Amino acid sequence: KNQVEQSPQSLIILEGKNCTLQCNYTVSPFSNLRWYKQDTGRGPVSLTIMTFSENTKSNGRYTATLDADTKQSSLHITASQLSDSASYICVVRRNDYKLSFGAGTTVTVRA
Amino acid sequence: ETGVTQSPTHLIKTRGQQVTLRCSSQSGHNTVSWYQQALGQGPQFIFQYYREEENGRGNFPPRFSGLQFPNYSSELNVNALELDDSALYLCASSPTPNDLYLTTDTQYFGPGTRLTVL
Repeated sequence: KNQVEQSPQSLIILEGKNCTLQCNYTVSPFSNLRWYKQDTGRGPVSLTIMTFSENTKSNGRYTATLDADTKQSSLHITASQLSDSASYICVVRRNDYKLSFGAGTTVTVRA
Repeated sequence: ETGVTQSPTHLIKTRGQQVTLRCSSQSGHNTVSWYQQALGQGPQFIFQYYREEENGRGNFPPRFSGLQFPNYSSELNVNALELDDSALYLCASSPTPNDLYLTTDTQYFGPGTRLTVL
């Protein structure tokens, strides 16, 4: 069973609308959680990274939240743009070099 | 765009063949990690190289092997290719093998090599 579960698997939103992606994890011991954006056929690009003590972190129109007690994170996209169409991957790091990747949520923004 | 480059961009091989993928790390980075990403899935960790030595390995068979060179560039070699090896192969470089105490993400991914095994 994957230690990082993301939902939904995919979603379609209209340009200008907001959306929220979910990430639940069982990885332990926890070190940090990252959200990546991956355009089709390209490598992932980091959006945010949060450690245990951080609850919220923003990067432009992207806002990530973390609840380390319930082991849940979310990524909120505000005022979506066509360029936001991509796969968003949640990655959790243990207290070593090992990373656990979620399968990603595919976001499609339509005009 | 990160400073991590990979070659080739695309590759088509047949079952049983061998393949070598290449990665040039970001300047100043001495650690390279390789990942396999099947279609619609998240990346799976293959192995990591730090200062020319393997520094950790995921659940991949020995026919997946690697090298890191003195300039910290790296190769991924896959022998006896199987159909299930078809995937996007990503490499990522970082300044250290363990950025546990860093609050910024210093691991940068390359664009990947799309391998198709027929």
